[in-house]
Amino acid sequence: EPEVTQTPSHQVTQMGQEVILRCVPISNHLYFYWYRQILGQKVEFLVSFYNNEISEKSEIFDDQFSVERPDGSNFTLKIRSTKLEDSAMYFCASSPPPGQKETQYFGPGTRLLVL
Amino acid sequence: AQSVSQHNHHVILSEAASLELGCNYSYGGTVNLFWYVQYPGQHLQLLLKYFSGDPLVKGIKGFEAEFIKSKFSFNLRKPSVQWSDTAEYFCAVNARQKVTFGTGTKLQVIP
Repeated sequence: EPEVTQTPSHQVTQMGQEVILRCVPISNHLYFYWYRQILGQKVEFLVSFYNNEISEKSEIFDDQFSVERPDGSNFTLKIRSTKLEDSAMYFCASSPPPGQKETQYFGPGTRLLVL
Repeated sequence: AQSVSQHNHHVILSEAASLELGCNYSYGGTVNLFWYVQYPGQHLQLLLKYFSGDPLVKGIKGFEAEFIKSKFSFNLRKPSVQWSDTAEYFCAVNARQKVTFGTGTKLQVIP
Protein backbone atom coordinates (compact mmCIF):
# COMPACT_ATOMS: atom_id res chain seq x y z
CA GLU A 1 0.00 0.00 0.00
CA PRO A 2 1.42 3.43 -0.89
CA GLU A 3 2.56 5.56 2.04
CA VAL A 4 3.53 9.11 2.80
CA THR A 5 7.21 9.27 3.72
CA GLN A 6 9.07 11.96 5.63
CA THR A 7 12.72 12.78 6.13
CA PRO A 8 14.52 13.13 8.39
CA SER A 9 12.85 11.18 11.17
CA HIS A 10 14.64 13.34 13.75
CA GLN A 11 16.22 16.78 13.46
CA VAL A 12 18.09 18.70 16.13
CA THR A 13 18.90 22.34 15.45
CA GLN A 14 20.07 25.45 17.21
CA MET A 15 17.68 28.28 17.87
CA GLY A 16 17.77 30.76 15.01
CA GLN A 17 18.76 28.21 12.39
CA GLU A 18 16.66 27.31 9.39
CA VAL A 19 15.31 23.79 8.90
CA ILE A 20 13.67 22.09 5.96
CA LEU A 21 11.42 19.14 6.56
CA ARG A 22 10.77 16.91 3.60
CA CYS A 23 7.79 14.83 2.62
CA VAL A 24 6.98 12.58 -0.30
CA PRO A 25 3.19 12.37 -0.61
CA ILE A 26 1.34 9.47 -2.17
CA SER A 27 1.91 9.76 -5.89
CA ASN A 28 -1.60 10.39 -7.25
CA HIS A 29 -2.62 12.72 -4.44
CA LEU A 30 -3.16 16.38 -5.15
CA TYR A 31 -3.67 17.93 -1.73
CA PHE A 32 -0.83 18.22 0.75
CA TYR A 33 -0.76 19.26 4.36
CA TRP A 34 1.48 19.94 7.31
CA TYR A 35 0.48 19.43 10.92
CA ARG A 36 2.43 19.63 14.11
CA GLN A 37 2.07 18.04 17.52
CA ILE A 38 3.86 19.63 20.43
CA LEU A 39 4.73 17.02 23.03
CA GLY A 40 1.70 16.21 25.13
CA GLN A 41 -0.65 18.35 23.05
CA LYS A 42 -3.04 17.71 20.22
CA VAL A 43 -2.26 17.62 16.53
CA GLU A 44 -2.61 21.09 15.02
CA PHE A 45 -3.22 22.02 11.40
CA LEU A 46 -0.59 24.26 9.86
CA VAL A 47 -1.25 24.54 6.15
CA SER A 48 -2.85 22.92 3.13
CA PHE A 49 -1.46 23.15 -0.39
CA TYR A 50 -3.08 22.52 -3.74
CA ASN A 51 -2.22 23.37 -7.30
CA ASN A 52 1.10 24.90 -6.28
CA GLU A 53 -0.32 27.32 -3.80
CA ILE A 54 -1.46 27.50 -0.22
CA SER A 55 -5.19 26.86 0.01
CA GLU A 56 -5.58 27.36 3.73
CA LYS A 57 -3.33 28.11 6.68
CA SER A 58 -3.75 28.41 10.41
CA GLU A 59 -2.73 31.28 12.66
CA ILE A 60 0.33 29.23 13.63
CA PHE A 61 1.62 29.37 10.04
CA ASP A 62 3.16 32.84 10.12
CA ASP A 63 5.96 34.38 8.06
CA GLN A 64 8.45 32.08 9.73
CA PHE A 65 7.02 29.16 7.80
CA SER A 66 6.87 28.42 4.11
CA VAL A 67 5.98 25.42 1.97
CA GLU A 68 7.11 24.40 -1.44
CA ARG A 69 6.68 21.64 -3.95
CA PRO A 70 10.05 21.93 -5.67
CA ASP A 71 9.53 19.00 -8.00
CA GLY A 72 6.91 16.43 -8.85
CA SER A 73 7.35 14.37 -5.73
CA ASN A 74 8.61 16.36 -2.74
CA PHE A 75 6.66 18.69 -0.49
CA THR A 76 8.73 20.70 1.96
CA LEU A 77 8.15 22.77 5.07
CA LYS A 78 10.77 25.41 5.77
CA ILE A 79 11.05 27.00 9.19
CA ARG A 80 13.21 30.12 9.19
CA SER A 81 14.96 31.21 12.36
CA THR A 82 13.67 28.40 14.56
CA LYS A 83 12.50 29.10 18.08
CA LEU A 84 12.45 26.83 21.11
CA GLU A 85 8.67 26.55 20.85
CA ASP A 86 8.97 25.11 17.34
CA SER A 87 10.07 21.84 18.93
CA ALA A 88 7.39 19.36 17.97
CA MET A 89 6.54 16.40 15.78
CA TYR A 90 5.71 17.58 12.29
CA PHE A 91 3.39 15.43 10.22
CA CYS A 92 2.90 15.63 6.50
CA ALA A 93 -0.32 14.33 4.97
CA SER A 94 -1.77 13.99 1.51
CA SER A 95 -5.20 13.27 0.09
CA PRO A 96 -6.70 12.42 -3.28
CA PRO A 97 -8.62 14.93 -5.38
CA PRO A 98 -12.00 16.05 -4.04
CA GLY A 99 -14.81 13.64 -4.62
CA GLN A 100 -12.68 10.62 -3.95
CA LYS A 101 -13.42 10.13 -0.28
CA GLU A 102 -11.06 12.68 1.11
CA THR A 103 -9.11 10.77 3.67
CA GLN A 104 -5.83 12.31 4.61
CA TYR A 105 -2.98 9.87 4.89
CA PHE A 106 -0.29 10.79 7.34
CA GLY A 107 3.43 10.26 7.22
CA PRO A 108 5.43 8.98 10.19
CA GLY A 109 6.48 12.46 11.23
CA THR A 110 9.71 14.36 11.80
CA ARG A 111 10.61 15.05 15.39
CA LEU A 112 12.19 18.51 15.55
CA LEU A 113 14.12 19.60 18.60
CA VAL A 114 15.27 23.21 18.82
CA LEU A 115 17.98 23.85 21.38
CA ALA B 1 -14.50 27.35 12.39
CA GLN B 2 -14.82 23.69 13.23
CA SER B 3 -13.84 22.27 16.59
CA VAL B 4 -13.65 18.81 18.11
CA SER B 5 -14.09 17.84 21.75
CA GLN B 6 -12.96 14.62 23.32
CA HIS B 7 -14.15 14.53 26.88
CA ASN B 8 -12.16 11.58 28.15
CA HIS B 9 -8.49 12.45 28.43
CA HIS B 10 -7.31 9.26 30.04
CA VAL B 11 -9.16 5.95 30.20
CA ILE B 12 -7.95 2.86 32.00
CA LEU B 13 -9.65 -0.46 31.31
CA SER B 14 -9.03 -4.10 32.02
CA GLU B 15 -8.71 -6.49 29.11
CA ALA B 16 -12.07 -7.67 27.76
CA ALA B 17 -13.86 -4.56 29.04
CA SER B 18 -15.98 -2.59 26.61
CA LEU B 19 -14.81 0.77 25.36
CA GLU B 20 -16.63 3.91 24.35
CA LEU B 21 -14.74 7.13 23.66
CA GLY B 22 -16.75 10.28 23.20
CA CYS B 23 -16.29 12.77 20.39
CA ASN B 24 -18.36 15.84 19.65
CA TYR B 25 -17.76 18.33 16.90
CA SER B 26 -19.07 21.69 15.91
CA TYR B 27 -19.41 22.70 12.30
CA GLY B 28 -22.45 23.85 10.41
CA GLY B 29 -21.78 22.19 7.08
CA THR B 30 -20.96 18.79 5.69
CA VAL B 31 -18.12 17.04 7.45
CA ASN B 32 -16.13 13.90 7.12
CA LEU B 33 -15.33 12.24 10.42
CA PHE B 34 -12.38 10.12 11.41
CA TRP B 35 -10.80 8.28 14.27
CA TYR B 36 -7.03 7.97 14.24
CA VAL B 37 -4.89 5.93 16.58
CA GLN B 38 -1.33 6.62 17.64
CA TYR B 39 0.48 3.71 19.25
CA PRO B 40 3.41 4.56 21.50
CA GLY B 41 6.30 5.82 19.39
CA GLN B 42 4.40 5.46 16.14
CA HIS B 43 2.61 7.76 13.76
CA LEU B 44 -1.07 8.41 13.23
CA GLN B 45 -3.00 5.55 11.67
CA LEU B 46 -6.54 5.68 10.38
CA LEU B 47 -8.94 3.51 12.37
CA LEU B 48 -12.15 4.34 10.57
CA LYS B 49 -13.96 7.10 8.74
CA TYR B 50 -17.44 8.32 7.98
CA PHE B 51 -18.40 10.18 4.81
CA SER B 52 -22.05 9.37 4.23
CA GLY B 53 -24.55 6.52 4.32
CA ASP B 54 -24.85 4.09 7.19
CA PRO B 55 -24.03 6.06 10.35
CA LEU B 56 -22.53 2.99 11.97
CA VAL B 57 -19.09 2.47 10.51
CA LYS B 58 -16.75 -0.39 11.15
CA GLY B 59 -13.01 0.00 11.15
CA ILE B 60 -9.94 -2.06 11.68
CA LYS B 61 -9.17 -4.15 14.76
CA GLY B 62 -12.82 -4.51 15.79
CA PHE B 63 -13.49 -0.80 16.29
CA GLU B 64 -16.69 0.87 15.22
CA ALA B 65 -18.13 4.35 15.50
CA GLU B 66 -21.60 5.79 15.26
CA PHE B 67 -22.37 9.15 13.71
CA ILE B 68 -25.34 10.82 15.38
CA LYS B 69 -26.01 13.97 13.40
CA SER B 70 -28.50 15.44 15.87
CA LYS B 71 -25.93 15.22 18.65
CA PHE B 72 -22.92 16.19 16.52
CA SER B 73 -21.25 13.10 17.90
CA PHE B 74 -19.04 10.36 16.53
CA ASN B 75 -18.26 8.03 19.43
CA LEU B 76 -15.77 5.22 19.09
CA ARG B 77 -16.61 1.79 20.48
CA LYS B 78 -15.08 -1.62 20.89
CA PRO B 79 -16.89 -4.45 22.67
CA SER B 80 -13.78 -6.07 24.16
CA VAL B 81 -10.43 -4.31 24.38
CA GLN B 82 -7.03 -5.96 24.34
CA TRP B 83 -3.75 -4.92 25.88
CA SER B 84 -2.51 -4.11 22.36
CA ASP B 85 -5.17 -1.39 22.10
CA THR B 86 -3.16 0.75 24.51
CA ALA B 87 -2.63 3.93 22.52
CA GLU B 88 -3.84 7.47 22.07
CA TYR B 89 -7.02 7.94 20.06
CA PHE B 90 -7.84 11.09 18.15
CA CYS B 91 -11.19 12.08 16.73
CA ALA B 92 -10.93 14.35 13.71
CA VAL B 93 -13.20 16.38 11.47
CA ASN B 94 -12.41 17.20 7.86
CA ALA B 95 -14.21 20.21 6.49
CA ARG B 96 -13.06 22.24 3.51
CA GLN B 97 -9.81 20.29 3.20
CA LYS B 98 -8.76 21.07 6.74
CA VAL B 99 -8.61 18.41 9.43
CA THR B 100 -9.20 19.48 13.00
CA PHE B 101 -8.17 17.04 15.69
CA GLY B 102 -9.50 16.57 19.17
CA THR B 103 -7.14 16.65 22.10
CA GLY B 104 -6.90 12.88 22.15
CA THR B 105 -7.78 10.17 24.64
CA LYS B 106 -5.05 8.04 26.13
CA LEU B 107 -6.30 4.50 26.55
CA GLN B 108 -4.44 2.19 28.88
CA VAL B 109 -5.51 -1.45 28.89
CA ILE B 110 -4.40 -3.48 31.87
CA PRO B 111 -3.78 -7.20 31.25
